[in-house]
This record gives sequence, structure tokens and C-alpha cells, in this order.
Amino acid sequence: DVKVTQSSRYLVKRTGEKVFLECVQDMDHENMFWYRQDPGLGLRLIYFSYDVKMKEKGDIPEGYSVSREKKERFSLILESASTNQTSMYLCASSARRGQAAYTFGSGTRLTVV
Amino acid sequence: SQQGEEDPQALSIQEGENATMNCSYKTSINNLQWYRQNSGRGLVHLILIRSNEREKHSGRLRVTLDTSKKSSSLLITASRAADTASYFCATDPLTGSARQLTFGSGTQLTVLP
Repeated sequence: DVKVTQSSRYLVKRTGEKVFLECVQDMDHENMFWYRQDPGLGLRLIYFSYDVKMKEKGDIPEGYSVSREKKERFSLILESASTNQTSMYLCASSARRGQAAYTFGSGTRLTVV
Repeated sequence: SQQGEEDPQALSIQEGENATMNCSYKTSINNLQWYRQNSGRGLVHLILIRSNEREKHSGRLRVTLDTSKKSSSLLITASRAADTASYFCATDPLTGSARQLTFGSGTQLTVLP
């Protein structure tokens, strides 16, 4: 069964820590995405990548960076975690632009204290 | 930015009833997709409807698309308690360099047994 795997379901980090959220997909998809989801705000796109070593900013990239060294892995990095980054983080992948469904991971609920 | 907006924000019905959710969007699209999210989990793709299609069925799901009104509806027939979830529409834009879907804020559906 094809899937997107996020390394942690729950994560608690301290303010100022550098945080890595890992996402791996086994479908050979070109496109990968990081969203955060907050009550009342829906899904907001942080970063996305449509090829290895390529990245593009989404709607809310501030405070985040990403890395895509291999096609199957897309990492989200919080350079210095802050309490306002407490959220549900969702990774997704898709085969190609247009007419392609996204496959999502199960999400990482990050709490920054 | 959020393009798709679902209506209503919340819907509560009895098991066996039909549930209808609506989605409006602003720009021209390649396709529109519906996703489902169980509490605390990732999103799961339900159905995709292309811009040249007007209606599509999948099991108990029926999706309509009216590109002239820039709106779509998702109908779940004979609902079950297990259908309780949040439902999101997502639009794939026709123009621009964007390669990502834009998600709405979702409709929370509660099916009472």
C-alpha cells in the first residue's frame, strides 16, 4: 500500500530549539508539500518542492526552511521553534502538477513549550 | 491564500440522511478535489472532478461542478456514523506557475447514530 510517512505523530519541543520534521513517500512522486493546520484557518501551505533540491515558498514560509536531498524525502525545519508554531503539520505528495490527487501523511502534532 | 470555501462550516445529521456540502472558489481551475479528514489524522482523497465534467459519482458520493458559478457540491447519501469527519474541497488552478492545490477551511460533518 503506497503511503506518505511522517516520522512522529506527536512532538514536544522547547522554545528556541531547532526542530526537524521528516516526511518520506514511497510512490516516486515528484511533488511534495508541507502544510500546517490550525483550527479555523484550514490548511496553509508552508513550502513545496517539485524536484530534488528544488523548493518554493508557500503562503507562510516565515520561520521555516525545507530540504529535499532525495526524491522520496522532504524535511521541514523550524530554525528556532516558537510557541506560535504549535500546530498540526501535514506532509503530502503528488505525482505531477494537475489532475493528480495528493496523498497525505498522518500528521505531526507539534507542541512548542 | 485560501480559494475554496466550504459551506456550511458545520453540519449535524441523523444516520441514514443525506449530507450536502458546498464549495465556492474564485479563479479558473483544472480540477476540483474533495478530501476527508478524520479527527487528528491526515487527509484522504475522495474524488476528483475535472473542469469539463459536471457530475461524478463514487459509491455513496456524488460531486457536481458548476464552473460558471465557480462552485461545487459534495453529496453523501445514506450517511453513516463512520462518515463523521471534516471534508475539504481543494482547487487546482488553471493559470500561473503554481503547482499546488489550495484547500478550503472545511466542513465538519457529524452523523448521529
